Amino acid sequence: QKEVEQNSGPLSVPEGAIASLNCTYSDRGSQSFFWYRQYSGKSPELIMFIYSNGDKEDGRFTAQLNKASQYVSLLIRDSQPSDSATYLCAVMSGGSNYKLTFGKGTLLTVNP
Amino acid sequence: DTEVTQTPKHLVMGMTNKKSLKCEQHMGHRAMYWYKQKAKKPPELMFVYSYEKLSINESVPSRFSPECPNSSLLNLHLHALQPEDSALYLCASSEQYEETQYFGPGTRLLVL
Repeated sequence: QKEVEQNSGPLSVPEGAIASLNCTYSDRGSQSFFWYRQYSGKSPELIMFIYSNGDKEDGRFTAQLNKASQYVSLLIRDSQPSDSATYLCAVMSGGSNYKLTFGKGTLLTVNP
Repeated sequence: DTEVTQTPKHLVMGMTNKKSLKCEQHMGHRAMYWYKQKAKKPPELMFVYSYEKLSINESVPSRFSPECPNSSLLNLHLHALQPEDSALYLCASSEQYEETQYFGPGTRLLVL
């Protein structure tokens, strides 16, 4: 059973702080890693994807991947109240059966 | 533009009704997906179409019947649903089967 684990939270940070969201996965053959943001009652929205070890930055967001530790994280700098949402980590398995497995999501609250 | 559209936005149906959910994308994506999402849970994969052929059926009950009339359209036909089938139904698409998935806004289904 391929698993993706996230701390369900809620994670509460003050406005302007750095929010750190973490995710671990069980399948060593996983190839691609995604972070989706989901506001309450809305559909998941792609924030970042990362394929290679290291950091990938896009504006206030940085995704970090460590395949040896089977760990992927998302940092949100200068957090805003509008960042308050559930963040879903998703992992694409390798091999011939490409399937996106989601973690249960971390609820982030940014307090003004 | 990474837009996936879904209709209707909301649907209420009785257990004896037949209805259909529709999904459309004009990005030239060759893979399309149906997911089911219950409240406070991650999306669960139901079906995958790649190049208009059903690639994955995640052991979904036969009361859900997918159809891919062409490369831009994906339908989900519903018949004799149960109240526990009430959920947010999400459509997604990607350029190819193993690539980044983009979600539509979803159809919120209530079965009475």
